[in-house]
Amino acid sequence: AQTVTQSQPEMSVQEAETVTLSCTYDTSESDYYLFWYKQPPSRQMILVIRQEAYKQQNATENRFSVNFQKAAKSFSLKISDSQLGDAAMYFCAYIGSNYQLIWGAGTKLIIKP
Amino acid sequence: DSGVTQTPKHLITATGQRVTLRCSPRSGDLSVYWYQQSLDQGLQFLIQYYNGEERAKGNILERFSAQQFPDLHSELNLSSLELGDSALYFCASSPSASARTDTQYFGPGTRLTVL
Repeated sequence: AQTVTQSQPEMSVQEAETVTLSCTYDTSESDYYLFWYKQPPSRQMILVIRQEAYKQQNATENRFSVNFQKAAKSFSLKISDSQLGDAAMYFCAYIGSNYQLIWGAGTKLIIKP
Repeated sequence: DSGVTQTPKHLITATGQRVTLRCSPRSGDLSVYWYQQSLDQGLQFLIQYYNGEERAKGNILERFSAQQFPDLHSELNLSSLELGDSALYFCASSPSASARTDTQYFGPGTRLTVL
């Protein structure tokens, strides 16, 4: 079965510091895509970053980067220079050959001023 | 603003009733996806339409149905509503049929409360 696990229900970080959110997934496929979405209090779902499994290079978007370990089936999100606006629920998601986006349960990120 | 619109923003109704949620995709996008997010939960994929045709089906109940019209807007119909159907319903759109390679852009959601 395809599953996505986010083991940290809640994380907190001091403003301007770095935080890493964990995500693991289970699949037998070799070609798939991984995503991190952010859901602020407004409940809008916003794409943060995506990673193609066949690419060895880790994706980066400004202060957001991933550590993709394909063999370990790990896809963590690193947020550098944390800002108050980064406070949100962060969801890891996977999509494979069945075309269904499978979501983790989410990690609530709290930014301390 | 993702360019995906959903109406209504909020909906309050009673058990046993039927409601229709509406979604307009981003300009140029041909695929529409529906998701359900129960309180403090991740999203559950319900169904995908591509250019008017059903493309993929997830954990959608038989009481729920959807369609995509020629102008590409989509409607999700929920009938015989139960208390457990209370949730945030998201619509997302993407350019092509490929949910794998496309990025899905989400609408603001419709908050459904069943009393």
